[in-house]
Amino acid sequence: NAGVTQTPKFRILKIGQSMTLQCTQDMNHNYMYWYRQDPGMGLKLIYYSVGAGITDKGEVPNGYNVSRSTTEDFPLRLELAAPSQTSVYFCASSYSRQGANYGYTFGSGTRLTVV
Amino acid sequence: AQKITQTQPGMFVQEKEAVTLDCTYDTSDQSYGLFWYKQPSSGEMIFLIYQGSYDEQNATEGRYSLNFQKARKSANLVISASQLGDSAMYFCAMREAINNNDMRFGAGTRLTVKP
Repeated sequence: NAGVTQTPKFRILKIGQSMTLQCTQDMNHNYMYWYRQDPGMGLKLIYYSVGAGITDKGEVPNGYNVSRSTTEDFPLRLELAAPSQTSVYFCASSYSRQGANYGYTFGSGTRLTVV
Repeated sequence: AQKITQTQPGMFVQEKEAVTLDCTYDTSDQSYGLFWYKQPSSGEMIFLIYQGSYDEQNATEGRYSLNFQKARKSANLVISASQLGDSAMYFCAMREAINNNDMRFGAGTRLTVKP
């Protein structure tokens, strides 16, 4: 089973460039999430989606955009990359249910460096 | 405000011994879930164990158990019979029912298992 697939695994961007981090899951999960992990820190939520066509901001949404046109895909767009966006980005998905005890399934991460 | 606190940046344990990783949390919600994740050096996030706030018994999953002390707001992870493959970062996380789309993570504890 593929689970959650993220591409690319590594990327170097120049300041001001844009890029899209891809995320696809094949588990038919309604809920999907984007997190960033800065060195020595835990994960912080950027955006999440509760289903196709529905997205909302998390704790640190500035500088990012998302879309959810299908259940499977949840791309993260970086516009005008800044050094502060250097981080490891994780996409995750889960079953939907309020208060559910389902742990998230994470992708393998994208290591992004902005220079 | 930080809702999850992991006070141990690093821990060492001898192979085959048990180890406890500390986690305290802060919430005013009565319904919430507590999670532990493992992040090996390869970078992926692996869901280990879940404890619901209304669960009367401590959660167990194989060699992992969660020492849940609700009044003290602590959710410590106990790993029994440590193995070399347990060396990794471990993250405690919480999701409140009132905002169950926002799982908050602690800063993590790096566990090193010595042979």
